[in-house]
Amino acid sequence: AAGVIQSPRHLIKEKRETATLKCYPIPRHDTVYWYQQGPGQDPQFLISFYEKMQSDKGSIPDRFSAQQFSDYHSELNMSSLELGDSALYFCASSLVQRMNTEAFFGQGTRLTVV
Amino acid sequence: AQSVTQPDIHITVSEGASLELRCNYSYGATPYLFWYVQSPGQGLQLLLKYFSGDTLVQGIKGFEAEFKRSQSSFNLRKPSVHWSDAAEYFCAVSPRGSARQLTFGSGTQLTVLP
Repeated sequence: AAGVIQSPRHLIKEKRETATLKCYPIPRHDTVYWYQQGPGQDPQFLISFYEKMQSDKGSIPDRFSAQQFSDYHSELNMSSLELGDSALYFCASSLVQRMNTEAFFGQGTRLTVV
Repeated sequence: AQSVTQPDIHITVSEGASLELRCNYSYGATPYLFWYVQSPGQGLQLLLKYFSGDTLVQGIKGFEAEFKRSQSSFNLRKPSVHWSDAAEYFCAVSPRGSARQLTFGSGTQLTVLP
């Protein structure tokens, strides 16, 4: 079965650079979530989109932005990168229209800021 | 706001021994509860979930969890641990009908001795 695809898997950027992370949800899923997991930390919810509209917002820095496109894939744009942005970024997707659905996670993008 | 507490940061068991990972949650209404497993450098895989109904939930890989409303707990159990179960385990809670805005516990690292 198709899973959530994230690209790239690994990314190295310098401070103050910009990074773009991509997420391709499971086909027919209408909701995408982004999470950030710092070293030794639990995943923290950043933002989610339902039907291409922002649905929830968590602890996402102002330097970050995200959107969901017409094909339901999502991109997380991160500007003015800081060392503290080094983390594993997860994307998850679900079908909200179905009750009692669950979120399926991708394998994550490991971002290292040097 | 919901919160999740996993009191045990690290647990070590011998292969073949039984396992119980503790999870306590705080939420005003009926919670939606999840257990995820994360192998090193990997994404989050859902083990099991509780939405309603039978308070004893069966999951994949031989895991089960029991929802106890009176104790605000959702402990994960496995009768006989395998070496491949070594990983980090996260308990999570979601406030709504679907897996939106998951709040994770800080995780329990499981080590399995041969």
